[in-house]
Amino acid sequence: DQQVKQNSPSLSVQEGRISILNCDYTNSMFDYFLWYKKYPAEGPTFLISISSIKDKNEDGRFTVFLNKSAKHLSLHIVPSQPGDSAVYFCAASFQGAQKLVFGQGTRLTINP
Amino acid sequence: KAGVTQTPRYLIKTRGQQVTLSCSPISGHRSVSWYQQTPGQGLQFLFEYFSETQRNKGNFPGRFSGRQFSNSRSEMNVSTLELGDSALYLCASSLVGGMEVEAFFGQGTRLTVV
Repeated sequence: DQQVKQNSPSLSVQEGRISILNCDYTNSMFDYFLWYKKYPAEGPTFLISISSIKDKNEDGRFTVFLNKSAKHLSLHIVPSQPGDSAVYFCAASFQGAQKLVFGQGTRLTINP
Repeated sequence: KAGVTQTPRYLIKTRGQQVTLSCSPISGHRSVSWYQQTPGQGLQFLFEYFSETQRNKGNFPGRFSGRQFSNSRSEMNVSTLELGDSALYLCASSLVGGMEVEAFFGQGTRLTVV
């Protein structure tokens, strides 16, 4: 039972354009969501998070949107840069538990 | 501030052996979690330790165990290794408090079971 799903295994975007990565979840108990970026042979790097009491959170080029009714979140990267090429994971948690449930990841490729 | 440190980075073991992996969290972080990453199952939560006590546990067999020391350093142990245990094992540390659960990961230990 996959509670967090990233349905797009890969995404290719031109440099300078917007990258939009999507994530769906099934467990309505989740109340905190995070995005991580991962390069091969390295651990995931925390990017941005959002609490379920908000619908948007911004940090520089990264914005996360949360639609609770649709159980959907998305990560927008504007503008996309070559260094953004990596695998992106969304993750969810509830009640402050240090137990993250991860999606399967989306491989983002930024083309020059 | 130093990040999460995991040792060793790479390990090759034979089926049936046991292995111990080590994790030093970010200074001041008291929660340490372990995850397993495989191509087929993705990133899966193993367990979490806080103040030397296991607080959360994932759906892994009892062959997977861990502990945390008084300085927050943690170890995980896998006994009777199976080929399917080959994976990247990631440790993450967190500050504890409120809803924020941002976990900061180490570079991982790549375990290969032959």
